[in-house]
Amino acid sequence: DTGVSQNPRHKITKRGQNVTFRCDPISEHNRLYWYRQTLGQGPEFLTYFQNEAQLEKSRLLSDRFSAERPKGSFSTLEIQRTEQGDSAMYLCASSHRASYNEQFFGPGTRLTVL
Amino acid sequence: AQSVAQPEDQVNVAEGNPLTVKCTYSVSGNPYLFWYVQYPNRGLQFLLKYITGDNLVKGSYGFEAEFNKSQTSFHLKKPSALVSDSALYFCAVRGRNQTGANNLFFGTGTRLTVIP
Repeated sequence: DTGVSQNPRHKITKRGQNVTFRCDPISEHNRLYWYRQTLGQGPEFLTYFQNEAQLEKSRLLSDRFSAERPKGSFSTLEIQRTEQGDSAMYLCASSHRASYNEQFFGPGTRLTVL
Repeated sequence: AQSVAQPEDQVNVAEGNPLTVKCTYSVSGNPYLFWYVQYPNRGLQFLLKYITGDNLVKGSYGFEAEFNKSQTSFHLKKPSALVSDSALYFCAVRGRNQTGANNLFFGTGTRLTVIP
């Protein structure tokens, strides 16, 4: 399968713990996006990479959140000192550099903070 | 600022009947519009997009959408609904910003139920 993959698919953690999620985009896509989706809402943009450069961060991305894409391929999203309000589905998407191309989404990582 | 509105949380339609899922948008400049579908435990799947050209856009699984600039709408349609079309549908508009992030702004989704 050459689609976007995300790991883990589910994560349950206790409040205050750190968690890290991984996204592997479609191989020829140089743009990578992270979104967050809560119940009853559409996905909300968090951050964007073009190759290894993080070019945009939403104000939703607090200081406890950090994302990396060290070699311009896979990306990680880390949440430090998790809070119950961080419980959500975290979606990764990738797209080709042509600016109007659609984004392809991974299956998401569902985070539950107890 | 960009925004998308999906006025209906839920749409029910009988199998074989035509379906419409509504979407209106607000964006400065030319809109780039998208429809995605989300099945349980699966990621968002791209259905179709409007960039320019014909106002009627055809996409996957027999879906189409009509772009109406004067009404700022991009309604999703299908002539004959299938039970397997039951899912959550999201309309999205591409953002515009200085970095060219092209991130998508999504509506809150419309749950389509096709009744056998």
